[in-house]
Amino acid sequence: SYELTQPLSVSVALGQTARITCGGDNIGRKNVHWYQQRPGQAPLLVIYRDSNRPSGIPERFSASNSGNTATLTISRAQAGDEADYYCQVWDSSTGVFGGGTKLTVL
Amino acid sequence: QVQLVESGGGVVQPGGSLRLSCAASGFTFSNFGMNWVRQAPGKGLEWVTFIRYDGINIYYADSVKGRFTISRDNSKNTLYLQMNSLTPEDTAVYYCAQDRQRSGSYPDAFDIWGQGTMVTVSS
Repeated sequence: SYELTQPLSVSVALGQTARITCGGDNIGRKNVHWYQQRPGQAPLLVIYRDSNRPSGIPERFSASNSGNTATLTISRAQAGDEADYYCQVWDSSTGVFGGGTKLTVL
Repeated sequence: QVQLVESGGGVVQPGGSLRLSCAASGFTFSNFGMNWVRQAPGKGLEWVTFIRYDGINIYYADSVKGRFTISRDNSKNTLYLQMNSLTPEDTAVYYCAQDRQRSGSYPDAFDIWGQGTMVTVSS
């Protein structure tokens, strides 16, 4: 079965840039989606199909996907960005999530 | 506004059954594929099952195949998840989530999420 690997945690200073990676075999050939989940809340789609932002998601959120790694970039990090972030793909009609990354804003 | 509201969660004994519902409003339900995604306490997200907008294509995670059944009633704007032979490993918050693509043949991103309903399997 297909697996996605994310770092358990990432820390970023307030106002700086955070990068969260998602590793998978030839993930660059798949559409990668990213979700933000704040404590006690339902997940929120922040990036779809590698690099597209849904309406209402700030431009500070961007992403890329190539080779074996997809990356979510959060610029000018704010306290409100502190959350768990999950990458997700579809593989052989199966939804697959990464294990999630806890982003801490210092 | 677009809204998904899950219901039907609760406490059930191992081996028991439960049916979850997800009521949709604010969009044309019959045009969108739907999913169930679950999250065990303190754990990450796990996709459970998908049903295409017209109910023709249905997919399941291996962990629930043969035990769970997804269905939809487009006339009632409601999604269902019938869960049988439940085990403690099925304990989780269950979210319904709308597929991002309208009338898509294949699943896309999970665009809109409900607030979830808790299922606890315990004796």
